[in-house]
Amino acid sequence: TQLLEQSPQFLSIQEGENLTVYCNSSSVFSSLQWYRQEPGEGPVLLVTVVTGGEVKKLKRLTFQFGDARKDSSLHITAAQPGDTGLYLCAGGVWAGNMLTFGGGTRLMVKP
Amino acid sequence: DTGVSQDPRHKITKRGQNVTFRCDPISEHNRLYWYRQTLGQGPEFLTYFQNEAQLEKSRLLSDRFSAERPKGSFSTLEIQRTEQGDSAMYLCASSQESGGTYNEQFFGPGTRLTVL
Repeated sequence: TQLLEQSPQFLSIQEGENLTVYCNSSSVFSSLQWYRQEPGEGPVLLVTVVTGGEVKKLKRLTFQFGDARKDSSLHITAAQPGDTGLYLCAGGVWAGNMLTFGGGTRLMVKP
Repeated sequence: DTGVSQDPRHKITKRGQNVTFRCDPISEHNRLYWYRQTLGQGPEFLTYFQNEAQLEKSRLLSDRFSAERPKGSFSTLEIQRTEQGDSAMYLCASSQESGGTYNEQFFGPGTRLTVL
């Protein structure tokens, strides 16, 4: 059974601060996706990383896939209240099948 | 809007009743997935279809749950004899087979089920 553990589970910061969310597993994934979810809505895909060591940037968000493709991180620079939400990482083993999700990191950015 | 749609968005039912949810995937996507998400947790996989074929089912999918995708387009998820433990958000996602090593799944807004 593949498991993804996210840390921290909860994070409350002030606007303008930086933060990093971690996603760790003992299993290798062929891809890892990050989603953001608002209350009462479905997850929205932010990014997909597929190559070990890969780094992708999306405005103030930086995503990294570990060299061994077992872990990933999401770094947010100068967080804004609009970044508030539940951040989920999800790993895929091959192209067609299910995603295994982490438990999520609930981020609150206070103005 | 060409995203994944789900209907209804909310369903309240009494224990023992049957419920059915519908998912319409992104039109060109041939894969469709169902997940369940309980409060404070990440989504958990239930089942997935490639076209009309149901290719994988989780052990979470008890015999009270059945999913169909009769024409390879929309899908339905039925829960018979609902229990309070079935209360959750039911999420549908779709993706397009690309022949690569990964697939990006796009989610609908979910159906929130409350069993009283």
